[in-house]
Amino acid sequence: DADVTQTPRNRITKTGKRIMLECSQTKGHDRMYWYRQDPGLGLRLIYYSFDVKDINKGEISDGYSVSRQAQAKFSLSLESAIPNQTALYFCATSDRTRNQPQHFGDGTRLSIL
Amino acid sequence: AQSVTQLDSQVPVFEEAPVELRCNYSSSVSVYLFWYVQYPNQGLQLLLKYLSGSTLVKGINGFEAEFNKSQTSFHLRKPSVHISDTAEYFCAVGGGGSYIPTFGRGTSLIVHP
Repeated sequence: DADVTQTPRNRITKTGKRIMLECSQTKGHDRMYWYRQDPGLGLRLIYYSFDVKDINKGEISDGYSVSRQAQAKFSLSLESAIPNQTALYFCATSDRTRNQPQHFGDGTRLSIL
Repeated sequence: AQSVTQLDSQVPVFEEAPVELRCNYSSSVSVYLFWYVQYPNQGLQLLLKYLSGSTLVKGINGFEAEFNKSQTSFHLRKPSVHISDTAEYFCAVGGGGSYIPTFGRGTSLIVHP
């Protein structure tokens, strides 16, 4: 089983719909992140959480919200999806020790029509 | 603030040829550096990391990178590539008070037979 699991893997939906992307991890890491990947733009940070009671905005948080339900679970919501939120979304985790690499899920490909 | 520039968006190469993927960073403090690889339909996987010590870092799949502080570079190299190395490669830099690395825009390595 994957250490970082994202569901769903693919989703097609319509403009205006509410969408939730879920992430769970078995690595026991405190820190979790949501990124968005667009061609030619690399990864951009949406939100991150250093523990269950800690939520922080990243560089592109507008139009998104998150919930850290438990140490192992971190979900990303689009309250009212719009077409320019069509992208590949990644969840990642890392250990609390500084300088440690991140561990990524396999991504959710989201298309908004 | 820190930033990463991956100088080539796409690098085509023939199988068994050597390859170098270039990465330059800017940071006002000590840095740590990563290279990740993303195969199609997968998340990012860590190739190698530089935290301190020897400037030549060896990673998985025969890749290595050299940290050059004076030129603020961390170029990735492989002496002989395989078809299976075709993927997207991301350089990332972290350091200072930030626990979150900044990613470059990625370089697509395309290995031709």
